[in-house]
Amino acid sequence: QKEVEQDPGPLSVPEGAIVSLNCTYSNSAFQYFMWYRQYSRKGPELLMYTYSSGNKEDGRFTAQVDKSSKYISLFIRDSQPSDSATYLCAMSVGAGSYQLTFGKGTKLSVIP
Amino acid sequence: GAVVSQHPSRVICKSGTSVKIECRSLDFQATTMFWYRQFPKKSLMLMATSNEGSKATYEQGVEKDKFLINHASLTLSTLTVTSAHPEDSSFYICSAREAFGELFFGEGSRLTVL
Repeated sequence: QKEVEQDPGPLSVPEGAIVSLNCTYSNSAFQYFMWYRQYSRKGPELLMYTYSSGNKEDGRFTAQVDKSSKYISLFIRDSQPSDSATYLCAMSVGAGSYQLTFGKGTKLSVIP
Repeated sequence: GAVVSQHPSRVICKSGTSVKIECRSLDFQATTMFWYRQFPKKSLMLMATSNEGSKATYEQGVEKDKFLINHASLTLSTLTVTSAHPEDSSFYICSAREAFGELFFGEGSRLTVL
């Protein structure tokens, strides 16, 4: 079993839809959870950074962490064509740790 | 915000030649830089960690003599793929951080070895 599982998609949704992206993990030592957005042929950029279980909201984006189920989610409300990208989940044991373990990424297309 | 610049963004080379990729932090001093490799539909894989002024720490399975990493200053790290072969073709990404700061990624460099 891989440490982090993420469905690679592709996922296509109409503009305005709510998008749900998910990752599961097996290592209970992971404490910090991140979502990165990666446009084609570009490097990843940090979207959300969470520590505790629960929800964290930033504009149209909501990150959800359920440590008991080892399950994290990213919700995108009112999706826009500009949200079309690959979304990678990542997690680490410590806050200052460079040992990020990434999911494979889910490719999202938002159709106008 | 902080920016990490990678150069070149694309490079094509012949098998057997060496290729150097640069990673620069533009407005902060990166005490630590990281190099990743990304295959299509695969996770980012950490190749090595480099701290300024010291030898890089390579992940298991990454050949040190194949992938030479130099971190000569607080703003520059280089990855040299030596004697490149077609199987080295990939997307290479660097990232950099100040001490315990946010991790910023470069734009990536696509290497194609013919």
